[in-house]
Amino acid sequence: EAQVTQNPRYLITVTGKKLTVTCSQNMNHEYMSWYRQDPGLGLRQIYYSMNVEVTDKGDVPEGYKVSRKEKRNFPLILESPSPNQTSLYFCASSFLMNTEAFFGQGTRLTVV
Amino acid sequence: QKEVEQDPGPLSVPEGAIVSLNCTYSNSAFQYFMWYRQYSRKGPELLMYTYSSGNKEDGRFTAQVDKSSKYISLFIRDSQPSDSATYLCAMSDDKIIFGKGTRLHILP
Repeated sequence: EAQVTQNPRYLITVTGKKLTVTCSQNMNHEYMSWYRQDPGLGLRQIYYSMNVEVTDKGDVPEGYKVSRKEKRNFPLILESPSPNQTSLYFCASSFLMNTEAFFGQGTRLTVV
Repeated sequence: QKEVEQDPGPLSVPEGAIVSLNCTYSNSAFQYFMWYRQYSRKGPELLMYTYSSGNKEDGRFTAQVDKSSKYISLFIRDSQPSDSATYLCAMSDDKIIFGKGTRLHILP
């Protein structure tokens, strides 16, 4: 089954404690991206990757890092989380940058 | 002017009614148009994908694109309570831009 898998689904952490949200896709897609979704603001792109070792900033990259060492994996790293990073996060993949995106189930992060 | 505008709702309609969801956009370079459905606490899932102006039908869903007016619509016929969700329009030229979504409630 074609899917994008994120882990964990739910995470509560404290300010400043580094965390990683994993994302893996099994569709051999070149393009992967991370979004955060907040009430009234919709989906906002954090970072994206065109291919292995190629990443770039989206619209709201501050406070986040990513890496793309393998085609299927695209982890999101929060080096020092802050409460304003409390949000619902989605990983997505697609064949190309402008074709239909397939989303993971989401990670609800709470930073206290 | 924002690139993609979508009424956030909520939109409440009785079961069996025809639902019309709409988005307007400003970028005439958009070539691909999509509709996603997002249930509560789930990721968005692709419903419809169109490339050109005109209509595309899939079961109870019809996507309509009017490039001259920069306006896209999603029609849901014979709406069901299971259609209650947030619907996001999306469009792309070199990257995908999402609308903020319309919350839809189908009342039994």
